[in-house]
Amino acid sequence: GAVVSQHPSRVICKSGTSVKIECRSLDFQATTMFWYRQFPKQSLMLMATSNEGSKATYEQGVEKDKFLINHASLTLSTLTVTSAHPEDSSFYICSGIPRANYGYTFGSGTRLTVV
Amino acid sequence: QKEVEQNSGPLSVPEGAIASLNCTYSDRGSQSFFWYRQYSGKSPELIMFIYSNGDKEDGRFTAQLNKASQYVSLLIRDSQPSDSATYLCAVNRSNTGKLIFGQGTTLQVKP
Repeated sequence: GAVVSQHPSRVICKSGTSVKIECRSLDFQATTMFWYRQFPKQSLMLMATSNEGSKATYEQGVEKDKFLINHASLTLSTLTVTSAHPEDSSFYICSGIPRANYGYTFGSGTRLTVV
Repeated sequence: QKEVEQNSGPLSVPEGAIASLNCTYSDRGSQSFFWYRQYSGKSPELIMFIYSNGDKEDGRFTAQLNKASQYVSLLIRDSQPSDSATYLCAVNRSNTGKLIFGQGTTLQVKP
């Protein structure tokens, strides 16, 4: 089955620092990947759509300068949380589409804690 | 109005019973619908997807879709304690390819 590898699984960082999260599609090419955020006991909220070779598109209310997305190849998308604050602490999950009209495959998620 | 709505639960059923999970959506242009299961602290895993009106069965799971009523459901037969999780309904927002999730229904299957 389609696999999306996400790294790191957990990270703790200090306020004001930046954190990079990587998402790799291991056995399919991902022209598009999606980044979600999930706060405790809440659902997944779509943050942005990552497009290979072009700029990401962000959902309303998501700061593009704070959540930098790079999708330089067909198998790698990265999300960088810049100048992290405690309120950015959340579970970040990426996803890719293995084939058309198929459910998205999710990475294992990254638990970010900003102290 | 939320794009995708689910009752947050918890829904509690005894082992062996049928669990029924419901979801409504607002975008009439949506064409594909998904059910994911999420265990605490883990990322979602796909259970089923459905595109056409009617029922779709896969093992103990049956997805039902009624586009006229903008309603999707998931039935779990012979529920097991291992089915205890949060079930997320997701809808592919029309013409965007973006998957939008409901808030999820927590299912508890009691032995």
